[in-house]
Amino acid sequence: DVQLLESGGALVPPGGSLRLSCVVSGFALRDSAMSWVRQAPGKGLEWVSAISVSGGSTQYADSVRGRFIISKDSSKNTLYLQMNSLRGEDSAMYYCVKWDSGCGRGTQVTVSS
Amino acid sequence: EVVMTQSPATLSVSPGESVTLSCRASQGVASNLAWYQQKPGQAPRLLIYAVSTRATGVSARFSGSGSGTEFTLTISSLQSDDFALYYCHQYNHWLWTFGQGTKVEVK
Repeated sequence: DVQLLESGGALVPPGGSLRLSCVVSGFALRDSAMSWVRQAPGKGLEWVSAISVSGGSTQYADSVRGRFIISKDSSKNTLYLQMNSLRGEDSAMYYCVKWDSGCGRGTQVTVSS
Repeated sequence: EVVMTQSPATLSVSPGESVTLSCRASQGVASNLAWYQQKPGQAPRLLIYAVSTRATGVSARFSGSGSGTEFTLTISSLQSDDFALYYCHQYNHWLWTFGQGTKVEVK
C-alpha cells in the first residue's frame, strides 16, 4: 500500500523558515512526480509546488515562488519542502500528494508572532 | 491557470438516493481529472483519478465520467459516511488547480 507521512510542521514567527518532510512507502520516489498542496483553515485546497520524476524540473505557485524549494531524496524515499520568509498567509495544513494515490494526513504550519 | 468550477455548491439529499456532482474546467484537461472527498478535521481522500479510475479501497458506488472540460462524479445509494465535501482537481497543467467544492449534506 502507498503511504505518505508528512512531518516538520510547527509554529514559527513571520520571516522564519521551516523544512517539511514526506516519507513515502509502497512505491519508489525515484519513479514518481510529487507535489505539495496546502489548505488554510476553513479554505479549499491550494497547490503549492511540484517536482518531476527526475527531480530536474520544479514548479511553484506564484504565492510561494522564490521563497519555497521542493526537493526529493530518492535514496531516503523522502520529499521535502524548504519554506523560507514565511508569512501569515502560509499558515495551513500541508499535504504531500501523489497524483494517483492522494495525500497523507498532513502537517500543520502556523506562522505567527 | 485552469479554473475548476463545481456545481452545485450544496446538495441536500436523503440516504439511499443517488447524486451527481458536476465539475467544469476552463480549458481542456484531457483525462487528468480527480475527485477528492473531505470530512471535517480530516485530510482529503482520493476517490477517483484519471476521470474514472477508483483509488484503492474506494467503493464501486463512486463513479466518475466525462472528458475535455466537463466531468461528473456520481455517488449511488448514498450512505451516512458519504456526507462530506467533494473537490474536483485537474493535474493536467502546472499549476494544479482544485474546484471550490460541493458539499453533500443530509436532507
